[in-house]
Amino acid sequence: DTAVSQTPKYLVTQMGNDKSIKCEQNLGHDTMYWYKQDSKKFLKIMFSYNNKELIINETVPNRFSPKSPDKAHLNLHINSLELGDSAVYFCASSSQGAANTEAFFGQGTRLTVV
Amino acid sequence: SQQGEEDPQALSIQEGENATMNCSYKTSINNLQWYRQNSGRGLVHLILIRSNEREKHSGRLRVTLDTSKKSSSLLITASRAADTASYFCATGPANQAGTALIFGKGTTLSVSS
Repeated sequence: DTAVSQTPKYLVTQMGNDKSIKCEQNLGHDTMYWYKQDSKKFLKIMFSYNNKELIINETVPNRFSPKSPDKAHLNLHINSLELGDSAVYFCASSSQGAANTEAFFGQGTRLTVV
Repeated sequence: SQQGEEDPQALSIQEGENATMNCSYKTSINNLQWYRQNSGRGLVHLILIRSNEREKHSGRLRVTLDTSKKSSSLLITASRAADTASYFCATGPANQAGTALIFGKGTTLSVSS
């Protein structure tokens, strides 16, 4: 009954590879997000989707692309992985913009680029 | 840009003591939220306080908000070892519908038994 689930939980890959992280929420929320948490635990918003439309696109490299096939899913594709991409990536969702309500987070995907 | 800044960065206390964490932010907000993150886990929402509220309680948690000083505090009373975690404040910007929460850098709380 996990509200927001991400797969995989761990991902180890070589530089230059392309990888995807999947996220699904069963809460019926309209808005989903991707956050990146660095080694110092700083959380930075990367993308947010509302009703399948991108409404925030922070200044992240265009190697990162969010894909939302439907309201319950927001996947993150990363091309040409670099060492600096190593981090924990969190998916989250909220019923409205999180500026108004609480957000629910997945367990995170720890990405290690070697 | 970074919105919330927590203080202290790290806090170590004994079980039964109270823990106070502070958060400062820069711009106008719609609400301020506190989250907890256990090691290796996702963030869990603790409490939300709206910009027109000054204090809110939830179990052993007490949150205050001072919009004139752009600051908030989280008090955990009678702490337990299970409270050991990182705590983050997050702000919901005012007048920006649909935007995401902006997180501070967090306070790492260690409660020893």
